[in-house]
Amino acid sequence: QSALTQPRSVSGSPGQSVTISCTGTSGDIGAYNFVSWYQQHPGKAPKVVIYDVSKRPSGVPDRFSGSKSANTASLTISGLQAEDEGDYYCCSYAGSFSGVFGTGTKVTVL
Amino acid sequence: EVQVVQSGGGLVQPGGSLRLSCAASGFTVWDNYMSWVRQAPMGGLEWVSVIYSGGSTYYADSVRGRFTISRDNFNNTVYLHMNDLRADDTAVYFCARDRSASYAFDIWGQGTTVTVSS
Repeated sequence: QSALTQPRSVSGSPGQSVTISCTGTSGDIGAYNFVSWYQQHPGKAPKVVIYDVSKRPSGVPDRFSGSKSANTASLTISGLQAEDEGDYYCCSYAGSFSGVFGTGTKVTVL
Repeated sequence: EVQVVQSGGGLVQPGGSLRLSCAASGFTVWDNYMSWVRQAPMGGLEWVSVIYSGGSTYYADSVRGRFTISRDNFNNTVYLHMNDLRADDTAVYFCARDRSASYAFDIWGQGTTVTVSS
């Protein structure tokens, strides 16, 4: 199973919006509504910010939103804040009882 | 508090074996899907294995036949038994709970480092 494709980096100024794409195939993202997104800070465990494509866990700010179209999922961070800086990974159920993560995107707050 | 605490890991020679542990508190492992995810140095996340609430187990192609996931319901602990370790197994290994059975991981362990080197 190949990793899902994400841009290496995105950046934005405080208050702006950034969107991270996550491209898979008709066998993973395109086939299931089981896409999740994780924020990871250096040396820390990942933290889920979106699950089941667009659901937000309790405690996650509503500036985080998710969507999906065909084989591509997206995470949008609106009203970017300094604490949003970090690495972000998408993940999808890939069929055959397996999961697959994205390549990761570094978000920089300018 | 709902959490998982990991133990195990360390330095092992190529071809060696190691066992990682993931002790849960605040929830029961047998009611949830529990996965292992790893992260190579300066690398991305890689899903490794899962044990379903019903006991079925599944693996990534990269570890199938060498790694075994199991659980001890009495001790509320999940294990990852790793055999025939290779240099490219070097990574930080995370234990994670998938509460919604959708490969979305809401509780993560602190991570444990496995280094395979001679």
